[in-house]
Amino acid sequence: EPEVTQTPSHQVTQMGQEVILRCVPISNHLYFYWYRQILGQKVEFLVSFYNNEISEKSEIFDDQFSVERPDGSNFTLKIRSTKLEDSAMYFCASSLQGGGYTEAFFGQGTRLTVV
Amino acid sequence: GIQVEQSPPDLILQEGANSTLRCNFSDSVNNLQWFHQNPWGQLINLFYIPSGTKQNGRLSATTVATERYSLLYISSSQTTDSGVYFCAVGSLGTGNNRKLIWGLGTSLAVNP
Repeated sequence: EPEVTQTPSHQVTQMGQEVILRCVPISNHLYFYWYRQILGQKVEFLVSFYNNEISEKSEIFDDQFSVERPDGSNFTLKIRSTKLEDSAMYFCASSLQGGGYTEAFFGQGTRLTVV
Repeated sequence: GIQVEQSPPDLILQEGANSTLRCNFSDSVNNLQWFHQNPWGQLINLFYIPSGTKQNGRLSATTVATERYSLLYISSSQTTDSGVYFCAVGSLGTGNNRKLIWGLGTSLAVNP
C-alpha cells in the first residue's frame, strides 16, 4: 500500500540552527501539506503546496519557514534559525485532490527537539 | 472558521469494554477523517468518512453530515487501542487547498 514517508523520525538541533525535514509523498498525489503538533496540543495546519507553489499558509508559517519540492519525489520543510518553541512533531501529508475532497494520507512524523 | 469538538476529552476503559467517541463540527464539510495517535506520536489513518458508515475490524465509524457529527465505535477494546483519537474535517479554504481542521482529540487509556 502506498504511504507517505518522512525522514528523520527524530531530530535534535541546537537553537539557532537550520533544519530540513524531508517527506516523500505518495507518487500520484498532487497536493502536499505540512502540519505541526506541539506536545500535548492539537494538530495545526502549516502550509499547503500545489503545482510547485504555496497555495495556502497559516499564521504560524512565517519567514522562518519555507517549503520546496526539489525534484519529482521529495517535499521538504526548512526551518531557519530554530527556536525552542519550534520543538514539535511535524507531519507531512499528501492527497490526490485538495484535502477537503479526498483522503489525506499522513506520514509517521518527525519529532523535532530544539535545545 | 469551522470548529471541531470532540468528546469525551479523556476516557479510561477496562480491556474488553466498548466505547463511543464523538466529533461535532460547526459547518458543512466535504471530508472527515479519524486518526489514532499512538504513544510514540505516530498518526494512523483509521477512516475517511465524509458520510455513511464504515467498519474495519473492531472499529467502525458513522458520519451524519446533515446533523454535523461523526461517531467512532471501538468494540472489545485492547491495550493497544490506547492513545489519542483525532477527528479532522476538510475546511473550505481558499482555492483548491481544503486543509484539515483538527479537534483536540480524545485520550483513551485501556487498562489490562
